[in-house]
Amino acid sequence: DTGVSQNPRHKITKRGQNVTFRCDPISEHNRLYWYRQTLGQGPEFLTYFQNEAQLEKSRLLSDRFSAERPKGSFSTLEIQRTEQGDSAMYLCASTNTGMGTGELFFGEGSRLTVL
Amino acid sequence: AQTVTQSQPEMSVQEAETVTLSCTYDTSESNYYLFWYKQPPSRQMILVIRQEAYKQQNATENRFSVNFQKAAKSFSLKISDSQLGDTAMYFCALSAAQKLVFGQGTRLTINP
Repeated sequence: DTGVSQNPRHKITKRGQNVTFRCDPISEHNRLYWYRQTLGQGPEFLTYFQNEAQLEKSRLLSDRFSAERPKGSFSTLEIQRTEQGDSAMYLCASTNTGMGTGELFFGEGSRLTVL
Repeated sequence: AQTVTQSQPEMSVQEAETVTLSCTYDTSESNYYLFWYKQPPSRQMILVIRQEAYKQQNATENRFSVNFQKAAKSFSLKISDSQLGDTAMYFCALSAAQKLVFGQGTRLTINP
């Protein structure tokens, strides 16, 4: 049983470039979340999907951010025209709503550095 | 709005000692779950322990136990017989409104 997988693990980019992160959740999980974590802080919610439907987006998710989960399996998070303030760890997590507990299973994260 | 507050940014104890991490929360939900997650350096976040709000009995998982005070909205984590491998960031989290809300974290260091 594989866990949540995120790629790439590290991305260094120049300001103004676009970046895309991919998340492969645990296969039987119908819900997928994206969080952002800055150094020494707790994760902050960005958005989540129930199957392929994006059900909620945080106010943190500016119009430069877009997330998709086209077939209800993997998800991508794209950041356009990156800014230095976008530097953070982007965490993906998944769960099965049938569990009823709200427990999330996290990937190792994708660390973004914007120069 | 749901909020989680961890008032101890850093803690440090000697190996084999007992340590308690504090967490307070606020929610208007009547049914919710509380969690403690562990995030070792450069590694993924993993669940340590879970508490259902409707259960009065405090959850325990081996060396880890919680003190859940629902009326006070307090949810502390006790680690007994601490080990070097317990060194990590610990996050308290509240499950509400279909997502987890996290506290700011406590950096715990276990010294040999």
